[in-house]
Amino acid sequence: GNSVTQMEGPVTLSEEAFLTINCTYTATGYPSLFWYVQYPGEGLQLLLKATKADDKGSNKGFEATYRKETTSFHLEKGSVQVSDSAVYFCALWGTDSWGKLQFGAGTQVVVTP
Amino acid sequence: EAGVAQSPRYKIIEKRQSVAFWCNPISGHATLYWYQQILGQGPKLLIQFQNNGVVDDSQLPKDRFSAERLKGVDSTLKIQPAKLEDSAVYLCASSPDRGPTEAFFGQGTRLTVV
Repeated sequence: GNSVTQMEGPVTLSEEAFLTINCTYTATGYPSLFWYVQYPGEGLQLLLKATKADDKGSNKGFEATYRKETTSFHLEKGSVQVSDSAVYFCALWGTDSWGKLQFGAGTQVVVTP
Repeated sequence: EAGVAQSPRYKIIEKRQSVAFWCNPISGHATLYWYQQILGQGPKLLIQFQNNGVVDDSQLPKDRFSAERLKGVDSTLKIQPAKLEDSAVYLCASSPDRGPTEAFFGQGTRLTVV
């Protein structure tokens, strides 16, 4: 079956540091890939997505590139802020059977001033 | 546009009791999901509806969990009887249609079984 693997957290960074969160996936066919974010006390919300190989999703200074050859969708941001402190979830929409949205375990990011 | 509404926000029950959660998706959204998120883990899909039909319930513990979506709009998720391991946040989400479109999530219901 399909699965998503993320690097474990928490990841603790200083403000203005570079952030990378690794995400790899296993899936048949050509899934769509997503990053969702959960800020403290809030619900999950979509951060960015990519629907085919070599697509780059971007939003709020975050970027991720769909790499089919390495089955990866790593999230990056060049300069983090305290307000980026949250839990980040990598997810995929599989093309098997009906298709469903499956999530990784999540990576907590803590940005300190 | 109103978001996905869930109630209650918090619930504490004793094991073997029953509990129900309610979800009102975004108006016009055909697809509705219920996820279980145990502390420290990612959301796990329990059941997926397309309009008022179930399209995936492969991870729903059917001996104790049930869900329905009335008239293709609101949905309820029930647990009877609850076990300690059911303690989790139950998330409802909706999306406009089938396919890799954005899913919009509610705030969730935090269930504690004691």
